[in-house]
Amino acid sequence: GAVVSQHPSWVICKSGTSVKIECRSLDFQATTMFWYRQFPKQSLMLMATSNEGSKATYEQGVEKDKFLINHASLTLSTLTVTSAHPEDSSFYICSARQGALQTQYFGPGTRLLVL
Amino acid sequence: QKEVEQNSGPLSVPEGAIASLNCTYSDRGSQSFFWYRQYSGKSPELIMSIYSNGDKEDGRFTAQLNKASQYVSLLIRDSQPSDSATYLCAVMGTGNQFYFGTGTSLTVIP
Repeated sequence: GAVVSQHPSWVICKSGTSVKIECRSLDFQATTMFWYRQFPKQSLMLMATSNEGSKATYEQGVEKDKFLINHASLTLSTLTVTSAHPEDSSFYICSARQGALQTQYFGPGTRLLVL
Repeated sequence: QKEVEQNSGPLSVPEGAIASLNCTYSDRGSQSFFWYRQYSGKSPELIMSIYSNGDKEDGRFTAQLNKASQYVSLLIRDSQPSDSATYLCAVMGTGNQFYFGTGTSLTVIP
């Protein structure tokens, strides 16, 4: 299957700082990537759809000015959590679709802890 | 009505038994169906995809699709403790959007 990587896998930061998370498709090109958030023992929540070369599409209730998404190339999307607060602490997972059947593959996730 | 519905469980089966996970979906025009496994603290991992009515087998896993009933299931034969995880059903709808179920938690008891 296709491989999606994320960096960093873990990040701890102070409240008020910004954190950038990278998502890369390693062996395929992805015009569309997706960002999810998952709180402990809860289901995946789609935050936004990242589109290469254009603006991201955010799900209802997700603040686009707080969660900045940039999809600058066909293999890289970044999510920046601006002015992070403890309530932003969560597991952030990206995914990308690959192939004619558009199968969705997930990155390993980034665990964010805001102190 | 949710796009994809799963029984959240938890589902417990003894080691060696068959685990049966079920999923229903609302978009009758959906064509692509997926099962993901998510271990605690990890991201989802694709284990099966199915596109046609009937059964598709891969090792101990069998996916079953019934488009008329809008029903997709996953059978795990000879369940092992390492199969203990949350299983997510995903459906690609007619607008090419992915919809995930909330997942079924499976525990295989040694």
